[in-house]
Amino acid sequence: AQSVTQLGSHVSVSEGALVLLRCNYSSSVPPYLFWYVQYPNQGLQLLLKYTTGATLVKGINGFEAEFKKSETSFHLTKPSAHMSDAAEYFCAVKDSSASKIIFGSGTRLSIRP
Amino acid sequence: DGGITQSPKYLFRKEGQNVTLSCEQNLNHDAMYWYRQDPGQGLRLIYYSQIVNDFQKGDIAEGYSVSREKKESFPLTVTSAQKNPTAFYLCASSALAGRQETQYFGPGTRLLVL
Repeated sequence: AQSVTQLGSHVSVSEGALVLLRCNYSSSVPPYLFWYVQYPNQGLQLLLKYTTGATLVKGINGFEAEFKKSETSFHLTKPSAHMSDAAEYFCAVKDSSASKIIFGSGTRLSIRP
Repeated sequence: DGGITQSPKYLFRKEGQNVTLSCEQNLNHDAMYWYRQDPGQGLRLIYYSQIVNDFQKGDIAEGYSVSREKKESFPLTVTSAQKNPTAFYLCASSALAGRQETQYFGPGTRLLVL
């Protein structure tokens, strides 16, 4: 069975600091992994996804994530936080054989001036 | 512009009333999904449909119903049997269920109980 765990429901960083949002997954087959961002009262927008190939994935808005099979992790990073990055971030996993995506519970990112 | 539209943005339900949330997509996607979002609980799948005139229950289908009469439309009805309907409802679509295709989301409908 698939599952995904996001460590930390709320992360706060200073503007210009490194952003690190953690995601661990479980899957019995090679997974597809996703990060989505949600701004208040809006839908989810895809930041990036890993399917196959290169394990370091670059997304929009300067975010990237690295698939580490040995650690079953897919952490999201950004070198320098902007105020506009304040939002909720969701990690998601999908088995290649499944028709459903499983979402984590989300991490709210706050940026301090 | 291609995308997913949901209406209304806000919806108010009275006790014992059924209400219907609209979801339309012009992306020519085969699969459509309905999620419920509550604070701190992420997204939970209500129903999904991979093809016209067919749909499957998700994890929390009780108190909800759907139809898929057209490829571009997947309305969700919140029935009076759903005792705690207050939530943010998100519709999504993907090119083909069961593979790696990304789900794309609409802007959401917030349902409130009067």
